[in-house]
Amino acid sequence: GESVGLHLPTLSVQEGDNSIINCAYSNSASDYFIWYKQESGKGPQFIIDIRSNMDKRQGQRVTVLLNKTVKHLSLQIAATQPGDSAVYFCAEAKNFNKFYFGSGTKLNVKP
Amino acid sequence: DTEVTQTPKHLVMGMTNKKSLKCEQHMGHRAMYWYKQKAKKPPELMFVYSYEKLSINESVPSRFSPECPNSSLLNLHLHALQPEDSALYLCASSQVDRGNTEAFFGQGTRLTVV
Repeated sequence: GESVGLHLPTLSVQEGDNSIINCAYSNSASDYFIWYKQESGKGPQFIIDIRSNMDKRQGQRVTVLLNKTVKHLSLQIAATQPGDSAVYFCAEAKNFNKFYFGSGTKLNVKP
Repeated sequence: DTEVTQTPKHLVMGMTNKKSLKCEQHMGHRAMYWYKQKAKKPPELMFVYSYEKLSINESVPSRFSPECPNSSLLNLHLHALQPEDSALYLCASSQVDRGNTEAFFGQGTRLTVV
């Protein structure tokens, strides 16, 4: 059954500051690494991905960094806005169509 | 249209009931997925359909039975569920192309088994 009182790691930032959300992964055989955002009451929403042979990729206000040496993935959000408040999940894509989600981080943006 | 539509949004069922969850997309995606998500946990992959054929079953109990009647529809048939099966069930779709990792998720069906 479910654990009572289970908490997600939470990152609280001030509006306008930059946010960095981290994720550790275990499987080096993944083809891609992906970040998803999940707002309350909604399904996950794709943010950005990075192929396993890259170490950095930039999108609009977001940057994903991949460090394969230490199996670490991070998502940087520039000028964080209240609308960025959500739970962020990293995910791995294996064989391109198998998506496995890692643990989430709750981002709380304070106005 | 970039929507994945799931029905119903909420479902309460008894352990002896049979019910079905439905998912629909009109983006021309040929990969469709079922995920299960418990509160404060990441989504867990259950099934993957590729070109309307079941390609992945992540050792899901047989009381969950998926069906893909055509390229736009995905069903999940439920029978003899247990209270611990209560969760948010998410449907997703994506293109099958290599290098395309953008999966589109529906809002989910909140299932409660009593």
